[in-house]
Amino acid sequence: DIQMTQSPSTLSASVGDRVTITCRASQSISSWLAWYQQKPGKAPKLLIYKASSLQSGVPSRFGGSGSGTEFTLTISSLQPDDFATYYCQQYNGYLNTFGQGTKLEIK
Amino acid sequence: EVQLVESGGGLVQPGGSLRLSCAASGFTFTNYAMSWVRQAPGKGLEWVSSISGGRQSTYYADSVQGRFTISRDNSKNTLYLQMNSLRADDTAVYYCAKETGGDHYCDTFDIWGQGTMVIVSS
Repeated sequence: DIQMTQSPSTLSASVGDRVTITCRASQSISSWLAWYQQKPGKAPKLLIYKASSLQSGVPSRFGGSGSGTEFTLTISSLQPDDFATYYCQQYNGYLNTFGQGTKLEIK
Repeated sequence: EVQLVESGGGLVQPGGSLRLSCAASGFTFTNYAMSWVRQAPGKGLEWVSSISGGRQSTYYADSVQGRFTISRDNSKNTLYLQMNSLRADDTAVYYCAKETGGDHYCDTFDIWGQGTMVIVSS
């Protein structure tokens, strides 16, 4: 099975900061990588699919990059609404695996 | 509006059974694969099972293989998850999710329901 490792587990940042979250796959997944945002008590929300494609309606301050085994989610200028937990997900083939999550906290 | 509404969660004893439902609206249900994803309290997301749209091929995580059965009724726009031999570690919020394609191959989840809580405890 493909394992997904996110770093860091927790990230403290301020409004206006540029932040980057990393996700590594245990084997190549081409570009079959998605990023989700989840707020407490709510369902996850798809932000990025196929490593770098922005889901409709998602602000352009969110960006994704990478291929193979290493991927990043970048938020160019943090807004108050962005403080949440972020998950990566590989969907290469028929099985899916999520990363363990990165909690983005207000500094 | 595209919407998914789960139901059927609750408290069940270890070894018991429960059936979850997910009512879909706002899109052509038969054209899309559907999935269940769960989240234990305070934990991350875990993919549970998926079913393709037309052929209804099914896929399961190792942790539920042989105990859970996913199905769908395309005439009722409804997804199901039959859960048998439930264990304490099945306790979680169960989300249904619409996939971006029809055959569950290299598809991700673009629409999620609000989730239904399943608690397995004596």
